[in-house]
Amino acid sequence: EDKVVQSPLSLVVHEGDTVTLNCSYEVTNFRSLLWYKQEKKAPTFLFMLTSSGIEKKSGRLSSILDKKELSSILNITATQTGDSAIYLCAVCSNTGKLIFGQGTTLQVKP
Amino acid sequence: DAGVTQSPTHLIKTRGQHVTLRCSPISGHKSVSWYQQVLGQGPQFIFQYYEKEERGRGNFPDRFSARQFPNYSSELNVNALLLGDSALYLCASFPVGVDYEQYFGPGTRLTVT
Repeated sequence: EDKVVQSPLSLVVHEGDTVTLNCSYEVTNFRSLLWYKQEKKAPTFLFMLTSSGIEKKSGRLSSILDKKELSSILNITATQTGDSAIYLCAVCSNTGKLIFGQGTTLQVKP
Repeated sequence: DAGVTQSPTHLIKTRGQHVTLRCSPISGHKSVSWYQQVLGQGPQFIFQYYEKEERGRGNFPDRFSARQFPNYSSELNVNALLLGDSALYLCASFPVGVDYEQYFGPGTRLTVT
């Protein structure tokens, strides 16, 4: 059965800290790995990683895909209170189905 | 440009009732997916419609059904509601052939009492 596991499930840090969120997967017919940020309702797209694009960076956020280890990390540097959210990792199969992990709840304290 | 829209935003129903949730995709997107997100968990795939045809179905009972209309909007129907159906129901749309880039709507919060 396809599975995506995220760790840690929750994290509390202070502004300015750097955090690393983990995602591992066992999915047949892997197509891509996506990271989303969910603050209130709709998950908003952060990154997509594929075999041909294993590292992405946008401002203070960056992500790497390790296809050998079947895992990915999401790094956030110099965290701000606005980074507080649930971070979701999802793997897209070749049927277009997204398989999500449980999410990591990040709380950034002032 | 308008994003994915869903209605209603909140809904309270009683066990045994039926519910219909609606989704309008981003203009130009012809495919939608439905997900259920129970509190504290990640979204779970329910259905995917690709140019008005069902392309995939998740591990949900037959009480759940969906359809896509000629204008690519979609409905999710749930019959004989159970307490466990209480969740945030998310709709995502994407362009044909770009199913790895799915954009989510704000969701419908369903509470079953």
